[in-house]
Amino acid sequence: DTGVSQDPRHKITKRGQNVTFRCDPISEHNRLYWYRQTLGQGPEFLTYFQNEAQLEKSRLLSDRFSAERPKGSFSTLEIQRTEQGDSAMYLCASSLTSGLEKLFFGSGTQLSVL
Amino acid sequence: GNSVTQMEGPVTLSEEAFLTINCTYTATGYPSLFWYVQYPGEGLQLLLKATKADDKGSNKGFEATYRKETTSFHLEKGSVQVSDSAVYFCALLTSSGGSYIPTFGRGTSLIVHP
Repeated sequence: DTGVSQDPRHKITKRGQNVTFRCDPISEHNRLYWYRQTLGQGPEFLTYFQNEAQLEKSRLLSDRFSAERPKGSFSTLEIQRTEQGDSAMYLCASSLTSGLEKLFFGSGTQLSVL
Repeated sequence: GNSVTQMEGPVTLSEEAFLTINCTYTATGYPSLFWYVQYPGEGLQLLLKATKADDKGSNKGFEATYRKETTSFHLEKGSVQVSDSAVYFCALLTSSGGSYIPTFGRGTSLIVHP
């Protein structure tokens, strides 16, 4: 069990560029969540998957945000045409599907949009 | 909708002082309640949880009791240490409507001085 891995740890980009983040969950975990966290705030839910199915995406911040989990293992979060307001820590978490289980978080990807 | 309200921080204490961090919630259904902790430079990790009314979660000297009548889950520790300095997040999770979306509070920073 190597924990939840996120890549990259830091991303600096210019406004208008597209960025993609990757999350590798704990191997036996079927649920995978994406959150955004800004300074002084708690994690803000974006979307989640159960296996490869994206079960909730209405809280993605805009249509510039999209996520995939094509084989039910790793996931990617893409932000198109980045804006300065997208600067934040993007967190991935995974859990089992046996019930109301705790989340295991990755260390996050810190995005800075210049 | 579901929401979590935490007391404003930072909370500043001397070592061996008593700690209380207040958390109240609003939820549909019957949530599980959690406290997560984020140490400087690290990802969120579960501190303790309670799954039904009157349950007490405990870990590392921290305790919290699920109070349905007051919709609260306050975090307590009898004697804090410098190493407890971190940000503490209260969270809830329900299976309402078939969606499992953990909701977090904004976090409360704890600073413990020697």
